[in-house]
Amino acid sequence: DAGVIQSPRHEVTEMGQEVTLRCKPISGHDYLFWYRQTMMRGLELLIYFNNNVPIDDSGMPEDRFSAKMPNASFSTLKIQPSEPRDSAVYFCASSPGGLQPQHFGDGTRLSIL
Amino acid sequence: ILNVEQSPQSLHVQEGDSTNFTCSFPSSNFYALHWYRWETAKSPEALFVMTLNGDEKKKGRISATLNTKEGYSYLYIKGSQPEDSATYLCAFRPTDKLIFGTGTRLQVFP
Repeated sequence: DAGVIQSPRHEVTEMGQEVTLRCKPISGHDYLFWYRQTMMRGLELLIYFNNNVPIDDSGMPEDRFSAKMPNASFSTLKIQPSEPRDSAVYFCASSPGGLQPQHFGDGTRLSIL
Repeated sequence: ILNVEQSPQSLHVQEGDSTNFTCSFPSSNFYALHWYRWETAKSPEALFVMTLNGDEKKKGRISATLNTKEGYSYLYIKGSQPEDSATYLCAFRPTDKLIFGTGTRLQVFP
C-alpha cells in the first residue's frame, strides 16, 4: 500500500518567494493533518481537514500560511511570502478517523534563505 | 494551553538494559493517548493507541501502560537493542487532533 506521499522532499528558496508543499493522503483516509517540526517547538499541528473541509486552523502561524484540500486525494500548504523563520520540516499525515493512528509522510525539509 | 510533557528528554543505555520513560498529559477531556517511534531521517511510526484507564499494550519488547485519572503513561522497552534507538513521542488526544510531547530520545549502545 502506498503511504502518505509528500513533495518536494527538499525545498530551498529565497525569502519572499511563494512556497507550495503538496500531500497525497492514503486512499480512504478521511482526515488530513499538516504539521511543522522545529527544534524549539517540536511537532506542532498547523491545520487539519475532515472530508476535505478545514476543521481547525488555529495552529497556522499567520496569514502568510494557507492550506487547501480541493479533493480527497490532494492537499497543499502554501507560504506567501516566505521568511527565513519558516525554515522547518513540514509533515503531512492522514487517518481514517476513529481510534486509528495517524500515518505520516516523509516530510518536506524547507529552507528559506 | 494543553501541556504534554515527556521525561527524560534523552536517555543513553547499554544493549540489553531495560528502560522506561514517562508521558504526562491533562487528566481532563481525555479521548486517547498515542505513542509513536521516530527514527532519524524517517517519519513518525505509530506504536500504540491507548484509550482506557489501566490499559496495557504490548508489541514485542515494547509495552505501555495508561493512567487517565492521574494523567500519565509509561513506555517500557525490555532488553534494549541498538535498533531501538529513536525518539519516542507521545501525543494526547482530546478530540480529533493530537498534541505531541517533545519526545524522549533513546540511544542504545552495543
